[in-house]
Amino acid sequence: SQQGEEDPQALSIQEGENATMNCSYKTSINNLQWYRQNSGRGLVHLILIRSNEREKHSGRLRVTLDTSKKSSSLLITASRAADTASYFCATGNNDMRFGAGTRLTVKP
Amino acid sequence: DAGVIQSPRHEVTEMGQEVTLRCKPISGHDYLFWYRQTMMRGLELLIYFNNNVPIDDSGMPEDRFSAKMPNASFSTLKIQPSEPRDSAVYFCASGPGVSGYGYTFGSGTRLTVV
Repeated sequence: SQQGEEDPQALSIQEGENATMNCSYKTSINNLQWYRQNSGRGLVHLILIRSNEREKHSGRLRVTLDTSKKSSSLLITASRAADTASYFCATGNNDMRFGAGTRLTVKP
Repeated sequence: DAGVIQSPRHEVTEMGQEVTLRCKPISGHDYLFWYRQTMMRGLELLIYFNNNVPIDDSGMPEDRFSAKMPNASFSTLKIQPSEPRDSAVYFCASGPGVSGYGYTFGSGTRLTVV
């Protein structure tokens, strides 16, 4: 399985703004997952979207999936300083593989 | 549930020594993964197990690395002999065998080989 690739590599915004991160992948998938990693910590699962879903929400998170373009986006609305972290997408049927991540900095 | 438990949290060892990293997955999870994270290479999948059976070890860097899962509640990743380039954070993750659920990561083991 090929891992997803996140874009941009780094993103810096002000508190209260929205943050959008993108993920592209190359092979067909059953689902795509987004994770967050705070510095020095393990990854935390945020949201999973199945291949037959186009959009999913969880609190301030909105994920879209376009299987025709093999891409997904993660939108964090009304960002907070606590959202500062690296965000990864993961693809794979069971062998979950990660891209390089997007480093998000939210300035207070 | 206490989550995925990894030990030790930190390990400093001399080049050439054997290193054993341990992982206790969440009870009931059928899948267990070992990852390595470095600044240069990002998060690499080393090996994963399904129901204690290794499914894909193509990510294991070389023969110095070996992983076992003797039962559903315990897995080890061993490096023998260790080299400075093995320095990284090693994560274990587990997940259910049912589609639609994410995976839970441990806090990682930071390995430094000097």
